[in-house]
Amino acid sequence: DAKTTQPPSMDCAEGRAANLPCNHSTISGNEYVYWYRQIHSQGPQYIIHGLKNNETNEMASLIITEDRKSSTLILPHATLRDTAVYYCIVMGGKSTFGDGTTLTVKP
Amino acid sequence: ETGVTQTPRHLVMGMTNKKSLKCEQHLGHNAMYWYKQSAKKPLELMFVYSLEERVENNSVPSRFSPECPNSSHLFLHLHTLQPEDSALYLCASSQDYFSEKLFFGSGTQLSVL
Repeated sequence: DAKTTQPPSMDCAEGRAANLPCNHSTISGNEYVYWYRQIHSQGPQYIIHGLKNNETNEMASLIITEDRKSSTLILPHATLRDTAVYYCIVMGGKSTFGDGTTLTVKP
Repeated sequence: ETGVTQTPRHLVMGMTNKKSLKCEQHLGHNAMYWYKQSAKKPLELMFVYSLEERVENNSVPSRFSPECPNSSHLFLHLHTLQPEDSALYLCASSQDYFSEKLFFGSGTQLSVL
């Protein structure tokens, strides 16, 4: 199973775009990249997933590099309610969520 | 609302008590999961059920006993717990065992005194 690496924490100003990186250099060709977020003391919430094409939904955009070794989750206009821990996982990773990135959105 | 409901939301129990956590999903999913999240630590997968059969048991002490009577319900029976078992217990479901798209409940915050 591919392992992911994320920065432990990031800050973002309210209303600005939040760009959260994830490194998954050992990802296999058929493994999807999934993103979740967890607001304090709640269950993680699915955000988005992708294989090799960029994806967008009502919550976020996902940019995957051409070599698929890394990806970036983009929250286009961060709000205070987006403050959470963001997890990037790949196929088989539901047993290893890792530490994620703590995003703090500041007024 | 994710379609996965956990009860109770909070639970305080003594080390000699027996209690059960309940999870119910209304999504028609075939796989259900128990996770443990201790303070400041990553989620730890405890058990996985697929089509009501246990398919993963990740070295969890026997004082935790899961039960999956049907595809919509999952229980975690607790007995003679230790204070270090205090944590947020999360239930999740997915369409099938191989799906990575998980739907989580809000969790049960357990305190063992």
